[in-house]
Amino acid sequence: DAGVIQSPRHEVTEMGQEVTLRCKPISGHNSLFWYRQTMMRGLELLIYFNNNVPIDDSGMPEDRFSAKMPNASFSTLKIQPSEPRDSAVYFCASTETSGSFDEQFFGPGTRLTVL
Amino acid sequence: TQLLEQSPQFLSIQEGENLTVYCNSSSVFSSLQWYRQEPGEGPVLLVTVVTGGEVKKLKRLTFQFGDARKDSSLHITAAQPGDTGLYLCAGAGTGRRALTFGSGTRLQVQP
Repeated sequence: DAGVIQSPRHEVTEMGQEVTLRCKPISGHNSLFWYRQTMMRGLELLIYFNNNVPIDDSGMPEDRFSAKMPNASFSTLKIQPSEPRDSAVYFCASTETSGSFDEQFFGPGTRLTVL
Repeated sequence: TQLLEQSPQFLSIQEGENLTVYCNSSSVFSSLQWYRQEPGEGPVLLVTVVTGGEVKKLKRLTFQFGDARKDSSLHITAAQPGDTGLYLCAGAGTGRRALTFGSGTRLQVQP
């Protein structure tokens, strides 16, 4: 299996621009999570989906952030407009919720820099 | 909000030394996981502990879940340069699939 796939791996953009991050979860996994990692705040959950339905989006910082999961094999995280404080590494993770203590498989992350 | 505090934040040791990393919270977790993250990659699961007082061993790594399921520790015996990385604990609340991650411990093992 290829694992969780994220694109792009690196993104540099200017303040005010729209940014779209993409994630392909592991085939057969039914939960997908978006995280943001910074030195100051560590790894924070932004939103997670179960069977393509958003379950908990309480971690989404503000209305500039939105996430979609149109099908079981694809999700996007969009920031519009982007700001310098959005600079971070964004991770997507997926899991097969067959038990109570599920291992989350993380993608390699997208390093976002907003100038 | 469930918070997990890890200590120490940074640790630089020589090859062959032992070390312990702590993960503490005021909240009770149904399970606790430990992940290791290497530069440029996502975290990778090392172990899951479920029962209060549980101890699990993974080669030179020993993980313990506190009796009250509020804290955990990771002990590494005879550390090697390959152990270098960011160690993260993560707790799952009762009936909640999402994980709360700790602040992380950055370990550097010098050869």
